[in-house]
Amino acid sequence: DAGVIQSPRHEVTEMGQEVTLRCKPISGHNSLFWYRQTMMRGLELLIYFNNNVPIDDSGMPEDRFSAKMPNASFSTLKIQPSEPRDSAVYFCASRFSGRTYNEQFFGPGTRLTVL
Amino acid sequence: SQQGEEDPQALSIQEGENATMNCSYKTSINNLQWYRQNSGRGLVHLILIRSNEREKHSGRLRVTLDTSKKSSSLLITASRAADTASYFCATDASNFGNEKLTFGTGTRLTIIP
Repeated sequence: DAGVIQSPRHEVTEMGQEVTLRCKPISGHNSLFWYRQTMMRGLELLIYFNNNVPIDDSGMPEDRFSAKMPNASFSTLKIQPSEPRDSAVYFCASRFSGRTYNEQFFGPGTRLTVL
Repeated sequence: SQQGEEDPQALSIQEGENATMNCSYKTSINNLQWYRQNSGRGLVHLILIRSNEREKHSGRLRVTLDTSKKSSSLLITASRAADTASYFCATDASNFGNEKLTFGTGTRLTIIP
């Protein structure tokens, strides 16, 4: 199993540009999570999906952020327009919902730098 | 604020010694999990302990849970240089263990060879 796949691994962009982060969850997993990690705020849950449906997006910082999951094997997190304070490492994680426990599998992350 | 708060924030020990990290949380939980994060990598699940369990072992890891004090500890015995990483506790407060985990602030562990 390839694990959770994220792309790109690194992204450098200028303020005001649109940024799209991509995630492919582990095959068979039906829950997907987007996190953001910074030194100041630690690890924050932005949004999560069950069976491709957004369940809780209360962690999305503002309307500039949006996430979609068009099918079970792909999700995107979009920032438009990007700002320097969006610089962080963004992680995608997935799990199989229906088991009795709740282990999540994390991708390697996308390091975003907004200049 | 974070549901889980790890203590200490940073810990440095000699290789071969035991490392203990603590986690406190605020609300009732279904289970508590520990994750490790190596520098520049994603988090990796280490161990899960349910709210009705008091202690759990996995290899060199031992986790305890005290729900009356809302606290947990992670003990790594006979530490190795490869254990150098950040360690996070995560709590699941849902009734049916649905989805949402809340992560703590982490303990940065450094093992000195």
